[in-house]
Amino acid sequence: QKEVEQDPGPLSVPEGAIVSLNCTYSNSAFQYFMWYRQYSRKGPELLMYTYSSGNKEDGRFTAQVDKSSKYISLFIRDSQPSDSATYLCASRGTGRRALTFGSGTRLQVQP
Amino acid sequence: GAVVSQHPSRVICKSGTSVKIECRSLDFQATTMFWYRQFPKQSLMLMATSNEGSKATYEQGVEKDKFLINHASLTLSTLTVTSAHPEDSSFYICSALTGEAEAFFGQGTRLTVV
Repeated sequence: QKEVEQDPGPLSVPEGAIVSLNCTYSNSAFQYFMWYRQYSRKGPELLMYTYSSGNKEDGRFTAQVDKSSKYISLFIRDSQPSDSATYLCASRGTGRRALTFGSGTRLQVQP
Repeated sequence: GAVVSQHPSRVICKSGTSVKIECRSLDFQATTMFWYRQFPKQSLMLMATSNEGSKATYEQGVEKDKFLINHASLTLSTLTVTSAHPEDSSFYICSALTGEAEAFFGQGTRLTVV
């Protein structure tokens, strides 16, 4: 079992829709949770960073972490065609400093 | 966010030659940098952790003699693919830690070995 599981998609939604992207993780020691956006042939771009459980909002993006169920979510409101990319969730604990990534979900926002 | 610059963005080399990829943190000091490899439509696979002033820590299955990592300063880490072969063709990405957990990535280097 992978430490971080993510549905690879692709996920196709119409412009303006609310997008929900999710990951589950198995390592109880994970404390830091990130969401990255990656366009084709580019490096990942950090979107959201959350420590422990809770919600964090930044513009159209909301990240949620539920440590009791080991569930990580990213919501995108009013989705735009420019949001079309691969979204990667990532986590790590307090010891090992390298991130463990999910496989990424490909999102396509149709105009 | 912090800026990490990776160079070159694309390189084509002949089989048997070596290629050096640079990763620089432009506006912060990074004691720890990471090198990843990414195959098409797959996630990032951690290759090694690069620590300034000490030897890199390689993940299981990564040949340290083939993928040489040097972290000579707080703003620069290099990955050298030695005696490259076509199977080394891939997308290589570095990241640098700022603060406790935020990791910023370079633009990536697409290596093609012919």
